[in-house]
Amino acid sequence: QSALTQPASVSGSPGQSITLSCAGSSSDVGNYNLVSWYQQHPGKAPKVVIYEVTQRPSGVSDRFSGSKSGNTASLTISGLQAEDEADYYCSSYAGSTFFFVFGTGTKVTV
Amino acid sequence: QVQLQQSGPGLVRPSQTLTLTCAISGDSVSSNSAVWNWIRQSPSRGLEWLGRTYYRSQWYNDYAPSVKSRITINPDTSKNQFSLQLNSLTPEDTAVYYCARYASGRSWFDPWGQGTLVTVS
Repeated sequence: QSALTQPASVSGSPGQSITLSCAGSSSDVGNYNLVSWYQQHPGKAPKVVIYEVTQRPSGVSDRFSGSKSGNTASLTISGLQAEDEADYYCSSYAGSTFFFVFGTGTKVTV
Repeated sequence: QVQLQQSGPGLVRPSQTLTLTCAISGDSVSSNSAVWNWIRQSPSRGLEWLGRTYYRSQWYNDYAPSVKSRITINPDTSKNQFSLQLNSLTPEDTAVYYCARYASGRSWFDPWGQGTLVTVS
């Protein structure tokens, strides 16, 4: 099972919107609405910002939103802020053999 | 709120066995509504799910195919914790190891432990 494919880096100016992509296959992203997104600051553990493709945990800013089309999921960060600068990873359930697969990660620079 | 506290060595010799422990507060390792996981992160392999343990009238374990022959995850109900054992270590196993929970019927990991950098050298 291959890792999900994400762009290595995305940058934007404060206040702008950016979209991160997460390309999988029909065995993971395309087959389950169980995609989650994690934000990771240096030296810290990942923190979930989106789950089940579009759902936002309580306490996470509504500037984060998620979507999916076919085998590709996306995370949009609107009104970009300095604190959003971090690494972002997608994850998908991948069935009862591989269970969970993660993306390669995107470094967001503000 | 649930908190996970990891402990274990930072340096392990090649061919030896790594043992890490994840102590749980705010929940029970025997909970019928939680699943307990180990995940690792390295520059070469990225984030990699390793395996899980959970209790549903009996104990269940599932492991990633990439480590299935070398991994054991055990619950310890007396101490409310769970452990990771990974044997036959090589330098490729050098990574930050995390424990993490997800709620039954869910698919996202929350919370995570603080992470333990393990170097195989």
